[in-house]
Amino acid sequence: GQNIDQPTEMTATEGAIVQINCTYQTSGFNGLFWYQQHAGEAPTFLSYNVLDGLEEKGRFSSFLSRSKGYSYLLLKELQMKDSASYLCAVRATGGFKTIFGAGTRLFVKA
Amino acid sequence: GAVVSQHPSRVICKSGTSVKIECRSLDFQATTMFWYRQFPKKSLMLMATSNEGSKATYEQGVEKDKFLINHASLTLSTLTVTSAHPEDSSFYICSASDFDRVPSYEQYFGPGTRLTVT
Repeated sequence: GQNIDQPTEMTATEGAIVQINCTYQTSGFNGLFWYQQHAGEAPTFLSYNVLDGLEEKGRFSSFLSRSKGYSYLLLKELQMKDSASYLCAVRATGGFKTIFGAGTRLFVKA
Repeated sequence: GAVVSQHPSRVICKSGTSVKIECRSLDFQATTMFWYRQFPKKSLMLMATSNEGSKATYEQGVEKDKFLINHASLTLSTLTVTSAHPEDSSFYICSASDFDRVPSYEQYFGPGTRLTVT
Protein backbone atom coordinates (compact mmCIF):
# COMPACT_ATOMS: atom_id res chain seq x y z
CA GLY A 1 0.00 0.00 0.00
CA GLN A 2 0.90 3.66 -0.05
CA ASN A 3 2.05 5.29 3.16
CA ILE A 4 3.60 8.66 3.91
CA ASP A 5 4.50 9.52 7.50
CA GLN A 6 5.46 12.85 8.96
CA PRO A 7 5.14 14.32 12.46
CA THR A 8 1.80 15.87 13.29
CA GLU A 9 3.08 19.03 14.94
CA MET A 10 6.35 20.81 15.66
CA THR A 11 7.20 24.00 17.52
CA ALA A 12 10.29 26.11 16.95
CA THR A 13 11.59 29.55 17.85
CA GLU A 14 11.89 32.52 15.54
CA GLY A 15 15.38 32.66 14.02
CA ALA A 16 16.07 28.99 14.66
CA ILE A 17 16.38 26.02 12.30
CA VAL A 18 13.83 23.24 12.08
CA GLN A 19 13.90 19.92 10.24
CA ILE A 20 10.66 18.20 9.23
CA ASN A 21 11.07 14.53 8.39
CA CYS A 22 9.05 12.41 6.01
CA THR A 23 9.22 8.69 5.35
CA TYR A 24 7.36 7.01 2.56
CA GLN A 25 6.44 3.59 1.24
CA THR A 26 4.87 3.78 -2.17
CA SER A 27 4.43 1.63 -5.24
CA GLY A 28 7.17 3.10 -7.38
CA PHE A 29 8.74 6.54 -7.08
CA ASN A 30 8.71 9.42 -9.49
CA GLY A 31 9.61 12.39 -7.30
CA LEU A 32 8.96 13.88 -3.87
CA PHE A 33 7.44 17.28 -3.21
CA TRP A 34 7.19 19.60 -0.25
CA TYR A 35 4.35 22.10 -0.07
CA GLN A 36 3.48 24.83 2.41
CA GLN A 37 -0.16 25.35 3.27
CA HIS A 38 -1.63 28.10 5.43
CA ALA A 39 -5.02 27.41 6.99
CA GLY A 40 -7.87 27.74 4.51
CA GLU A 41 -5.56 28.24 1.57
CA ALA A 42 -4.23 26.08 -1.23
CA PRO A 43 -0.78 24.48 -0.97
CA THR A 44 2.15 26.35 -2.45
CA PHE A 45 5.09 24.54 -4.00
CA LEU A 46 8.37 24.57 -2.07
CA SER A 47 10.62 21.89 -3.52
CA TYR A 48 10.94 18.84 -5.71
CA ASN A 49 13.49 16.03 -5.35
CA VAL A 50 13.81 13.12 -7.72
CA LEU A 51 17.49 12.26 -7.17
CA ASP A 52 19.27 11.61 -3.89
CA GLY A 53 20.83 14.57 -2.18
CA LEU A 54 20.15 18.05 -0.96
CA GLU A 55 18.38 20.78 -2.90
CA GLU A 56 18.79 24.27 -1.50
CA LYS A 57 16.51 27.19 -2.26
CA GLY A 58 17.01 30.22 -0.09
CA ARG A 59 16.00 29.54 3.50
CA PHE A 60 14.48 26.19 2.54
CA SER A 61 16.36 22.99 1.71
CA SER A 62 15.05 19.53 0.95
CA PHE A 63 16.88 16.22 1.16
CA LEU A 64 16.05 12.87 -0.36
CA SER A 65 17.32 9.32 0.17
CA ARG A 66 15.45 6.97 -2.14
CA SER A 67 17.04 3.83 -0.69
CA LYS A 68 15.76 4.77 2.76
CA GLY A 69 12.42 6.14 1.61
CA TYR A 70 13.24 9.30 3.52
CA SER A 71 13.17 13.03 3.00
CA TYR A 72 13.42 16.10 5.15
CA LEU A 73 12.61 19.77 4.75
CA LEU A 74 14.99 22.15 6.48
CA LEU A 75 13.85 25.66 7.29
CA LYS A 76 16.49 28.17 8.40
CA GLU A 77 16.17 31.58 10.02
CA LEU A 78 12.59 30.87 10.95
CA GLN A 79 10.09 33.69 10.68
CA MET A 80 6.65 33.96 12.24
CA LYS A 81 5.11 33.74 8.77
CA ASP A 82 6.58 30.23 8.43
CA SER A 83 3.89 29.00 10.81
CA ALA A 84 1.90 26.72 8.51
CA SER A 85 1.37 23.11 7.59
CA TYR A 86 4.08 21.43 5.54
CA LEU A 87 2.96 18.63 3.28
CA CYS A 88 5.21 15.87 2.02
CA ALA A 89 3.93 14.34 -1.20
CA VAL A 90 5.15 11.55 -3.48
CA ARG A 91 4.48 11.01 -7.12
CA ALA A 92 4.28 7.27 -6.83
CA THR A 93 3.55 5.81 -10.22
CA GLY A 94 4.77 6.29 -13.75
CA GLY A 95 1.89 8.69 -14.22
CA PHE A 96 1.12 11.95 -12.56
CA LYS A 97 -0.85 11.02 -9.45
CA THR A 98 0.55 12.54 -6.24
CA ILE A 99 -0.04 11.07 -2.79
CA PHE A 100 0.04 13.50 0.13
CA GLY A 101 1.10 12.92 3.71
CA ALA A 102 -1.09 14.22 6.52
CA GLY A 103 1.09 17.30 6.93
CA THR A 104 3.15 18.73 9.78
CA ARG A 105 1.79 21.79 11.52
CA LEU A 106 4.69 24.06 12.41
CA PHE A 107 4.27 26.69 15.09
CA VAL A 108 6.93 29.40 15.19
CA LYS A 109 7.06 31.26 18.49
CA ALA A 110 8.77 34.52 19.33
CA GLY B 1 2.43 32.58 -14.84
CA ALA B 2 0.62 29.34 -13.95
CA VAL B 3 -2.42 30.72 -12.19
CA VAL B 4 -5.39 28.52 -11.35
CA SER B 5 -8.70 29.92 -10.18
CA GLN B 6 -11.65 28.27 -8.51
CA HIS B 7 -15.20 29.47 -8.29
CA PRO B 8 -16.95 29.84 -5.95
CA SER B 9 -14.54 30.26 -3.05
CA ARG B 10 -17.29 29.50 -0.55
CA VAL B 11 -20.72 27.97 -0.98
CA ILE B 12 -23.46 26.99 1.42
CA CYS B 13 -26.20 24.75 0.12
CA LYS B 14 -29.10 22.76 1.46
CA SER B 15 -29.02 19.02 1.76
CA GLY B 16 -30.24 17.34 -1.41
CA THR B 17 -29.19 20.07 -3.81
CA SER B 18 -26.30 19.97 -6.29
CA VAL B 19 -23.31 22.28 -6.35
CA LYS B 20 -20.93 22.96 -9.22
CA ILE B 21 -17.34 24.05 -8.65
CA GLU B 22 -15.26 25.43 -11.50
CA CYS B 23 -11.51 25.18 -11.88
CA ARG B 24 -9.78 27.27 -14.52
CA SER B 25 -6.18 27.55 -15.61
CA LEU B 26 -5.86 31.22 -16.50
CA ASP B 27 -2.60 31.49 -18.38
CA PHE B 28 -1.77 28.00 -19.55
CA GLN B 29 -3.43 24.96 -21.05
CA ALA B 30 -3.84 22.20 -18.51
CA THR B 31 -3.41 18.74 -19.96
CA THR B 32 -4.46 17.24 -16.66
CA MET B 33 -6.49 18.50 -13.73
CA PHE B 34 -6.80 16.90 -10.32
CA TRP B 35 -9.55 17.23 -7.74
CA TYR B 36 -8.81 16.87 -4.03
CA ARG B 37 -10.83 17.18 -0.87
CA GLN B 38 -9.41 18.10 2.48
CA PHE B 39 -10.97 17.67 5.92
CA PRO B 40 -9.95 20.00 8.77
CA LYS B 41 -6.37 19.38 9.89
CA LYS B 42 -6.06 16.52 7.42
CA SER B 43 -4.13 16.18 4.24
CA LEU B 44 -5.33 16.34 0.67
CA MET B 45 -7.13 13.27 -0.57
CA LEU B 46 -7.08 12.78 -4.31
CA MET B 47 -10.58 12.24 -5.63
CA ALA B 48 -10.04 12.03 -9.37
CA THR B 49 -7.78 12.83 -12.27
CA SER B 50 -9.24 14.34 -15.41
CA ASN B 51 -7.81 14.82 -18.86
CA GLU B 52 -9.39 17.13 -21.38
CA GLY B 53 -11.97 15.39 -23.52
CA SER B 54 -11.93 12.07 -21.71
CA LYS B 55 -13.62 10.53 -18.71
CA ALA B 56 -12.17 11.21 -15.31
CA THR B 57 -10.29 8.50 -13.43
CA TYR B 58 -11.69 8.21 -9.93
CA GLU B 59 -9.80 7.00 -6.88
CA GLN B 60 -11.00 3.98 -4.99
CA GLY B 61 -13.90 4.80 -2.73
CA VAL B 62 -14.96 7.96 -4.57
CA GLU B 63 -18.45 7.72 -6.01
CA LYS B 64 -18.36 8.80 -9.63
CA ASP B 65 -22.12 9.30 -9.77
CA LYS B 66 -22.00 11.62 -6.80
CA PHE B 67 -18.94 13.63 -7.79
CA LEU B 68 -19.35 14.40 -11.48
CA ILE B 69 -16.27 15.70 -13.20
CA ASN B 70 -16.22 17.32 -16.60
CA HIS B 71 -13.06 18.53 -18.34
CA ALA B 72 -14.52 20.12 -21.44
CA SER B 73 -11.55 22.24 -22.43
CA LEU B 74 -7.85 22.63 -21.73
CA THR B 75 -8.59 25.48 -19.33
CA LEU B 76 -11.73 24.36 -17.50
CA SER B 77 -12.74 21.45 -15.33
CA THR B 78 -15.88 21.28 -13.22
CA LEU B 79 -16.78 19.20 -10.18
CA THR B 80 -20.47 18.79 -9.43
CA VAL B 81 -21.45 17.43 -6.04
CA THR B 82 -24.86 15.89 -6.64
CA SER B 83 -27.50 15.48 -3.94
CA ALA B 84 -25.16 16.97 -1.38
CA HIS B 85 -25.31 15.85 2.25
CA PRO B 86 -23.70 17.35 5.36
CA GLU B 87 -20.91 14.76 5.21
CA ASP B 88 -19.88 16.24 1.85
CA SER B 89 -18.95 19.47 3.62
CA SER B 90 -15.27 19.92 3.01
CA PHE B 91 -12.57 22.00 1.35
CA TYR B 92 -12.30 21.07 -2.32
CA ILE B 93 -9.10 21.97 -4.14
CA CYS B 94 -8.24 21.54 -7.79
CA SER B 95 -4.84 21.54 -9.37
CA ALA B 96 -3.73 21.74 -12.96
CA SER B 97 -0.68 20.50 -14.77
CA ASP B 98 0.76 20.97 -18.20
CA PHE B 99 3.16 18.13 -18.77
CA ASP B 100 4.53 19.77 -21.87
CA ARG B 101 5.73 22.65 -19.73
CA VAL B 102 9.14 23.07 -18.16
CA PRO B 103 9.33 21.97 -15.42
CA SER B 104 6.78 19.31 -16.22
CA TYR B 105 6.45 17.95 -12.69
CA GLU B 106 4.65 20.89 -11.14
CA GLN B 107 0.98 21.05 -10.40
CA TYR B 108 -0.58 24.42 -9.73
CA PHE B 109 -3.27 24.58 -7.11
CA GLY B 110 -6.40 26.64 -7.12
CA PRO B 111 -7.35 28.58 -3.98
CA GLY B 112 -9.94 26.02 -2.94
CA THR B 113 -13.70 26.00 -2.41
CA ARG B 114 -15.22 25.68 1.06
CA LEU B 115 -18.48 23.73 0.74
CA THR B 116 -20.92 23.67 3.65
CA VAL B 117 -24.05 21.55 3.35
CA THR B 118 -26.77 22.35 5.87
